Amino acid sequence: RKEVEQDPGPFNVPEGATVAFNCTYSNSASQSFFWYRQDCRKEPKLLMSVYSSGNEDGRFTAQLNRASQYISLLIRDSKLSDSATYLCVVTRMDSSYKLIFGSGTRLLVRP
Amino acid sequence: DTGVSQDPRHKITKRGQNVTFRCDPISEHNRLYWYRQTLGQGPEFLTYFQNEAQLEKSRLLSDRFSAERPKGSFSTLEIQRTEQGDSAMYLCASSPSVQPSSEQFFGPGTRLTVL
Repeated sequence: RKEVEQDPGPFNVPEGATVAFNCTYSNSASQSFFWYRQDCRKEPKLLMSVYSSGNEDGRFTAQLNRASQYISLLIRDSKLSDSATYLCVVTRMDSSYKLIFGSGTRLLVRP
Repeated sequence: DTGVSQDPRHKITKRGQNVTFRCDPISEHNRLYWYRQTLGQGPEFLTYFQNEAQLEKSRLLSDRFSAERPKGSFSTLEIQRTEQGDSAMYLCASSPSVQPSSEQFFGPGTRLTVL
C-alpha cells in the first residue's frame, strides 16, 4: 500500500463546475501537508499548504482531518486553466522534510 | 531566471552507458533534493543534501547511482551502467529553510530515455 493514496481520475468536468479531490495518508506521524499542481510534462508547483483548520485561496479550499488521515481539495468555478494533475503531498517527521507524493489526480475541464 | 535549472533537459542513451545530470538550485538555498518520476506516478524521493552534506538516500538509490554537491551549490546525479528501468524524469528541488512547511521549488527536470 502506498503511503499517500489518491483517486487517479481523470475527472472530466465542465467549466464552472465544482470538483473535489480526496487523499488519504497512512503514516500518522506525517507532519506537513500540501497540494501540488503539475501540468503535462512540467515540474510540480506548490498550489497550497493544508492546515487542520482548513484554508482557502480564491477558488481553492483545502481541508485536513488528522483523525481520519484524510486531505481534500475543493475547486469551485472550474476554469479551463485548472486542467492539470493535482498531487497530494505529505512530509514525515524527519530531518530531511522530503516530500512524499501521491500518484496524482488528473483533472480535465472542458468548455 | 532565478529558478532551479537542470541540464540537460533530455537525454537518450543506450543501456549500459553512464549519464550525469546537473542541478543548479536557487541561490542560497541550502537544501537540495533529487526525485524521480515515472509515467502516471508522483515523484519519488532519491536523495537529500544540506549544503554539501548528503544526509539521506532512498532505497531506490542503488549502488549504480551517485550524487554530489561539492561546494554546497550545484549538484550532480550520475547513473552508471544504465538500465531500461532507469527511464524516468529526474527532478531536482531546492528549499531555503529548515521549516517542514517550506516550499520546495522544482526544476524543469531531466527526462532520461534508456534504449
